[in-house]
This record gives sequence, structure tokens and C-alpha cells, in this order.
Amino acid sequence: LAKTTQPISMDSYEGQEVNITCSHNNIATNDYITWYQQFPSQGPRFIIQGYKTKVTNEVASLFIPADRKSSTLSLPRVSLSDTAVYYCLVGANTGFQKLVFGTGTRLLVSP
Amino acid sequence: NAGVMQNPRHLVRRRGQEARLRCSPMKGHSHVYWYRQLPEEGLKFMVYLQKENIIDESGMPKERFSAEFPKEGPSILRIQQVVRGDSAAYFCASSLSLAGTSSYEQYFGPGTRLTVT
Repeated sequence: LAKTTQPISMDSYEGQEVNITCSHNNIATNDYITWYQQFPSQGPRFIIQGYKTKVTNEVASLFIPADRKSSTLSLPRVSLSDTAVYYCLVGANTGFQKLVFGTGTRLLVSP
Repeated sequence: NAGVMQNPRHLVRRRGQEARLRCSPMKGHSHVYWYRQLPEEGLKFMVYLQKENIIDESGMPKERFSAEFPKEGPSILRIQQVVRGDSAAYFCASSLSLAGTSSYEQYFGPGTRLTVT
């Protein structure tokens, strides 16, 4: 499983765009990049998954450069309720994969 | 469509007692996973089960811990003779069983917070 590196914490204000970058230098050809969000006292929630270029859904966008050695989760116009820990995971997209969570990025959104 | 259900949400046990944690997966999901999260740490995989089968238990401690997912009823994570170090949040997740899909899209329950006194 490819190891990932993310910032430990980030601070932002309501209404700003937040970009969280994850490094995964050893990503394999068949690996996908997946992001989860975890609120305090709750289980993680799947946010978005991608393989290359850009993926967008109603929650976030995921930008993946051509070399795929990093990825950026973009949260447009954050609100207080986006305060959470965000985890970047990398692994193959078929069959059983045990999710390996690092310590994630703790995002704090202030008024 | 109800999400993943876990109960109890909070469980207090004295050292040496048994803890039983229950998980009902989302409707239509036949793959269940258990994770443990210690304070201020990320989640650690424990075990992956399908109905009546343990597929991967590489993250389970060798002693005192067991898991099952019977044909009928919820999945159970059982911890015998609990110790203080077992205090943690235990999360259950489930995923679809469609061939060719990834288990990376897992749906998590709210967790059971176990406190051992």
C-alpha cells in the first residue's frame, strides 16, 4: 500500500476555499486516491475518489496531476460544519482492500 | 435506507469483563469491516468478514478478540477479559458485494466507545 503524507492541521475561515494536499510518491499504476472525512465522535464518511485529472461531486473536487504523486482535495467556500479530520488513502480499486488511515489533516474552520 | 447501525454507542466494562459490540450493515451490504481508533490516532483495520466467513483478520490481536458475522443477525466483535488498553472507539463499516467494485468506498457506523475501568 502506498504511504501518504498530509499536513497535520490547517486553519481557515468561513467562505474560503480550502485545499488539502496529500503526497503519495510510491503510488502504483492501479491505485486510486480516496478521501474520507471524520467529524468528532462519528465514523469516517467517504467523500471522493479519483484516478487522474479532476473529479468533482457535490461535496468537493479532487485534483490529480499527471504524475499522480500527489493529490489535492478542494473544499469550496467552507463553513463551520466542515471542521473535521480529512484522510487521504491510496490503494487498488478492485477487490478487498483494508483501509489504512494515517493521522489525517485536522481542519478547523473559524467564523 | 438506514445506515450502518452500531450498538451500544457507549459501553463501560471493568477489567476482566467481556465486551460485545454489535454492527448491522447497510441494507444490501454483505461485507463488514471492524476498525479501532485510539484517542488522537487514525483508524486501524481489525477484521473483514462476509456472511459466515472471516476473510481477513490480520489486524486482530491474537488473544481475547474474536469476530463473527452470522447468516442471520448483526456482526459481533467480542473482547474477552478486557484491559484498560482496550479502551477505544470501535467502528464498523460495510460495503457492497458487487464483483469488480472496490471496498475503498465503505460506509461507517457511529462507533461504540468502550471504556474499561
